[in-house]
Amino acid sequence: AQSVTQLGSHVSVSEGALVLLRCNYSSSVPPYLFWYVQYPNQGLQLLLKYTSAATLVKGINGFEAEFKKSETSFHLTKPSAHMSDAAEYFCAVSEAAGNKLTFGGGTRVLVKP
Amino acid sequence: DGGITQSPKYLFRKEGQNVTLSCEQNLNHDAMYWYRQDPGQGLRLIYYSQIVNDFQKGDIAEGYSVSREKKESFPLTVTSAQKNPTAFYLCASTPSQGMRNQPQHFGDGTRLSIL
Repeated sequence: AQSVTQLGSHVSVSEGALVLLRCNYSSSVPPYLFWYVQYPNQGLQLLLKYTSAATLVKGINGFEAEFKKSETSFHLTKPSAHMSDAAEYFCAVSEAAGNKLTFGGGTRVLVKP
Repeated sequence: DGGITQSPKYLFRKEGQNVTLSCEQNLNHDAMYWYRQDPGQGLRLIYYSQIVNDFQKGDIAEGYSVSREKKESFPLTVTSAQKNPTAFYLCASTPSQGMRNQPQHFGDGTRLSIL
C-alpha cells in the first residue's frame, strides 16, 4: 500500500525567503506524485505533478519539486516566499488501481512580513 | 467554465439525522471521489465511482452512503450511524478511470457541523 509522510505540520518563513516543504512516499509501483495547495475554506488546487518524465518538475506560482527515487522523496520548493503563499500544502501519491490518491497530512505555511 | 459544484457550503446536522451533500460536475469526467478532511489528517477517501451505476468503498466508508445515477452527479449521504461527522467534505473528479497520471479536480467543499 502507498503512504505519504510530510515532515512538519507547520512551517513559518519570512517573505522573500526560501520555502521548502518535505514529502516522502512509499509505493509498490512506480509512483505518480502530486502537490496540491489549499486556501482557507476552499478545495485543493494542483500545483504540479510528477509522471515519470523529468525529475525536476515546475508548477504554478513559482513552485517546483524534485523527484529523488533513491530517497523516495518529492520535496516542494519556492526560492522566494510571497504573502500569498500562506496556505496548506498536500503531497499525494496515486495508487495503482482506480486512480485513487493517498494524501500526506499536510503542511500549513505561514509567511511573515 | 467547467468545474465541480458542491452544495451547500455549510451544513448543520442534528443528532440522529441523515444529511445529503451534493456534488455536481460539468467536466464530463467519468470518475468521482468523496474525501473527508480533518485537521492534521490530510484527506481520507470515503467512496469513489469510476463509472455510472458503480461505486466502491474507500478507507472510511462506514456511516456513509453514495449513489451514481448520472455521470455528472455523485451525492454523499452522511447517516446517523456516522458518530463523528463534523468535518470538511471534498468532492473530486478525474477524466477517466485507471489513468494514474491524471490529477484530480476538486470542488470547494462542504463544512458539516453537529448541532
